[in-house]
Amino acid sequence: GAVVSQHPSRVICKSGTSVKIECRSLDFQATTMFWYRQFPKKSLMLMATSNEGSKATYEQGVEKDKFLINHASLTLSTLTVTSAHPEDSSFYICSARDWTSGSETQYFGPGTRLLVL
Amino acid sequence: KNEVEQSPQNLTAQEGEFITINCSYSVGISALHWLQQHPGGGIVSLFMLSSGKKKHGRLIATINIQEKHSSLHITASHPRDSAVYICAVRFSGGSNYKLTFGKGTLLTVNP
Repeated sequence: GAVVSQHPSRVICKSGTSVKIECRSLDFQATTMFWYRQFPKKSLMLMATSNEGSKATYEQGVEKDKFLINHASLTLSTLTVTSAHPEDSSFYICSARDWTSGSETQYFGPGTRLLVL
Repeated sequence: KNEVEQSPQNLTAQEGEFITINCSYSVGISALHWLQQHPGGGIVSLFMLSSGKKKHGRLIATINIQEKHSSLHITASHPRDSAVYICAVRFSGGSNYKLTFGKGTLLTVNP
C-alpha cells in the first residue's frame, strides 16, 4: 500500500532553535497533506492543511508564524517549528491524501517526536 | 456540532477473545476511517468505509449509515493487537478531506 514517511523520527533541541520536519509520500503524488499534533493520551489535533503550490490553511488557534508549512512539491511537505519552546514538545504526525487508487483515501506518517529542552 | 464518540475507552481481553470497538457520529459523513496506533506512536490506516463492510485478515469493519454507527471487530485476538484504535470521520460537506477524530480505544490483549 501507499507509504508516507517522516523525518526525523525524533528530535531533541534547545529552546529558541528552529526544527524542520519533513513529510514525504513515497509512491504517490499528494496535492494535499495534513499536519497533526498529538499530546500524550490525547487524540490527534489538526494543525493545518498543506496544499501543493499554495499557502497552507491553518486551524483556529494555530500560529502560522510559529509553525511554517511549505508544500513545494507533490511528494514533500515540511513543517518548521520556529523558535521552539518546551511547550512545543509533542508528537507531530503528517498524512497525505491519495486519489490514485480510484477512491480518495488518506495515509499517515509514522510521526516525529519533538522534545524541546 | 460534528462529534465522534468511541466506546469503550479502555478494553482488556484475553488472547483469543472476539473484540468489538464502537464509533458513533453526530451527522452525515462521506467516509470513516479506522486507525491503529501502537506504543511509540506510528499510525496505521486499517480501513476506510463509506458503506457496508470490509474485512482484512482478522479485522472486520462495518458501518450503518442510517444509524450513524461503525464497529471494528477483531477475531481471535492476540497480544500484538494491543494498541489504540481510533475512529476518524469526514463529515459530509467538509472540504479538503478534513478528518474529525474520536478519542481512541486502548485495547490490551493479555496472553
